[in-house]
Amino acid sequence: QQQVKQSPQSLIVQKGGISIINCAYENTAFDYFPWYQQFPGKGPALLIAIRPDVSEKKEGRFTISFNKSAKQFSLHIMDSQPGDSATYFCAASGYGGSQGNLIFGKGTKLSVKP
Amino acid sequence: DTAVSQTPKYLVTQMGNDKSIKCEQNLGHDTMYWYKQDSKKFLKIMFSYNNKELIINETVPNRFSPKSPDKAHLNLHINSLELGDSAVYFCASSQDTGHNYGYTFGSGTRLTVV
Repeated sequence: QQQVKQSPQSLIVQKGGISIINCAYENTAFDYFPWYQQFPGKGPALLIAIRPDVSEKKEGRFTISFNKSAKQFSLHIMDSQPGDSATYFCAASGYGGSQGNLIFGKGTKLSVKP
Repeated sequence: DTAVSQTPKYLVTQMGNDKSIKCEQNLGHDTMYWYKQDSKKFLKIMFSYNNKELIINETVPNRFSPKSPDKAHLNLHINSLELGDSAVYFCASSQDTGHNYGYTFGSGTRLTVV
């Protein structure tokens, strides 16, 4: 049972455009929502994370929008650059025991065309 | 100085063999993890471990076993390897049980079973 659903599976954006990746979760016990970036041959790296007490968090060109009532969150990449081309994963976790382990979405492969 | 290091980076072996993958972290983190990334890039938790608790994903075959000689190491031992075990295995660590703390991932071990 997939607890975090991510879309789209792949995304092509022109340089300078906005990339938007969406995730939805089912478990209301989740209260930590990070995004990870993975380049080929590398491990995932933490990009930005949010907790449900805020609706938006911004770090540079990356913004997370969070909608608790809809159980959805999204990653916006402003002014997308070719160097942003990578696979992006949303994730979620709760508190304690197995709930504390990050559950990942299936990933979005982003290609930014010059 | 690599924060989470895995060895080997590549591992090719025959069906039925037993193999180990080693993981070490120098971040002083309390919790370590093993994730499996399949050919479709899906990241799935296998184990999480700190000095108090081992949590095993119920879908992981008992041919897989984590071994932790100390807080900085979590090795993965696999018995009787099968073709379906071919994947990239990632070790990760976090400051605590992962709740509200980002994970630091290693660069992965690509296991190919022939």
